[in-house]
Amino acid sequence: KNQVEQSPQSLIILEGKNCTLQCNYTVSPFSNLRWYKQDTGRGPVSLTIMTFSENTKSNGRYTATLDADTKQSSLHITASQLSDSASYICVVFAEEAGTALIFGKGTTLSVSS
Amino acid sequence: GAGVSQSPRYKVAKRGQDVALRCDPISGHVSLFWYQQALGQGPEFLTYFQNEAQLDKSGLPSDRFFAERPEGSVSTLKIQRTQQEDSAVYLCASSLELAGEDTQYFGPGTRLTVL
Repeated sequence: KNQVEQSPQSLIILEGKNCTLQCNYTVSPFSNLRWYKQDTGRGPVSLTIMTFSENTKSNGRYTATLDADTKQSSLHITASQLSDSASYICVVFAEEAGTALIFGKGTTLSVSS
Repeated sequence: GAGVSQSPRYKVAKRGQDVALRCDPISGHVSLFWYQQALGQGPEFLTYFQNEAQLDKSGLPSDRFFAERPEGSVSTLKIQRTQQEDSAVYLCASSLELAGEDTQYFGPGTRLTVL
């Protein structure tokens, strides 16, 4: 069964600290993996998209890594800011039927001052 | 407009009522998706349009759910005889290229509450 599992479910960190969010997937055949940021009451916003041939991709203070062999991805946030408080969702696209985007449940990050 | 817009932002319906949710995608975007997001969960796929063609409706939970995009731009998600379990945020997303190959841009969602 195609699944995307994220950990931790929630995380609290102090402003300025770094953190890493994890994503494990059992999606096949794999096409690409995305990380989204979803602020409360808003729609998700894309942070990164990686294909199986890409190991890392950065977007400002966000760096995503992908290990297609172990089917694991991580999102590293550097020097966190209060505005980073949001839900971070890992999404895997399975290239079957053309539309199978599998969403994780997300990690809720709270950055406190 | 600059992004995907959805209306209404909030909808309260009595059980058994019909509702219609509207999505205005980014102009020129080929692909349009509808998702259902329950509280504390990630979005779940409902249906996908490529222009006016509904290519995948495998995620629609029952025949009470119906979506259309008659002219390949604006889309409407209709829910007939709403039930309490339909309460959720309904997200619309569009992308320039075909499904899965491109960044999806999400609207703010419509929060549906069925009493």
